[in-house]
Amino acid sequence: AQSVAQPEDQVNVAEGNPLTVKCTYSVSGNPYLFWYVQYPNRGLQFLLKYITGDNLVKGSYGFEAEFNKSQTSFHLKKPSALVSDSALYFCAVIYTDKLIFGTGTRLQVFP
Amino acid sequence: DAGITQSPRHKVTETGTPVTLRCHQTENHRYMYWYRQDPGHGLRLIHYSYGVKDTDKGEVSDGYSVSRSKTEDFLLTLESATSSQTSVYFCAISGETASYEQYFGPGTRLTVT
Repeated sequence: AQSVAQPEDQVNVAEGNPLTVKCTYSVSGNPYLFWYVQYPNRGLQFLLKYITGDNLVKGSYGFEAEFNKSQTSFHLKKPSALVSDSALYFCAVIYTDKLIFGTGTRLQVFP
Repeated sequence: DAGITQSPRHKVTETGTPVTLRCHQTENHRYMYWYRQDPGHGLRLIHYSYGVKDTDKGEVSDGYSVSRSKTEDFLLTLESATSSQTSVYFCAISGETASYEQYFGPGTRLTVT
């Protein structure tokens, strides 16, 4: 079955340190991959996507993600975390024109 | 929130009553979606629309129906609400194809007592 896995329910990182939020996928064919962020009491906001081309994708707010086909992964990264990055992050993949979401990872950045 | 509004934003209703949630967009996007968000499940697709009067089921469509009579409006109806439908409901839109990024509304928190 087509799916997305986010193996960590929560990631804690100190402000100024690099952060990684992990995502792996299982989908037939070439994947279209997305990252979204949700701040408290808000809808999801689009961060970045991978469709084709360069495996390193840059997105909003200084985030980037690396597509690795051999490991079927699409990890979200940021070189230097901010307290304001604290939020819920969702990885998603398009399958038959529909988005399949992971269960989300809560990122907590401590001052 | 990309020209998407949802109404109501909060609703408490009793088991067995019908409920309709409205999503309104000003972007003239073709695709519209209804999701529910529950702890431990992420977002799950309920129904989606790929044009006026064109709708299809998602992963968790049982107990829900939708209608789209105008490009800008997508209605989600719970025919007879149950406690298992207590959730936060999000509407989303996307552009020319479903592979474009989706933009989400602010959500509706529904409680069924």
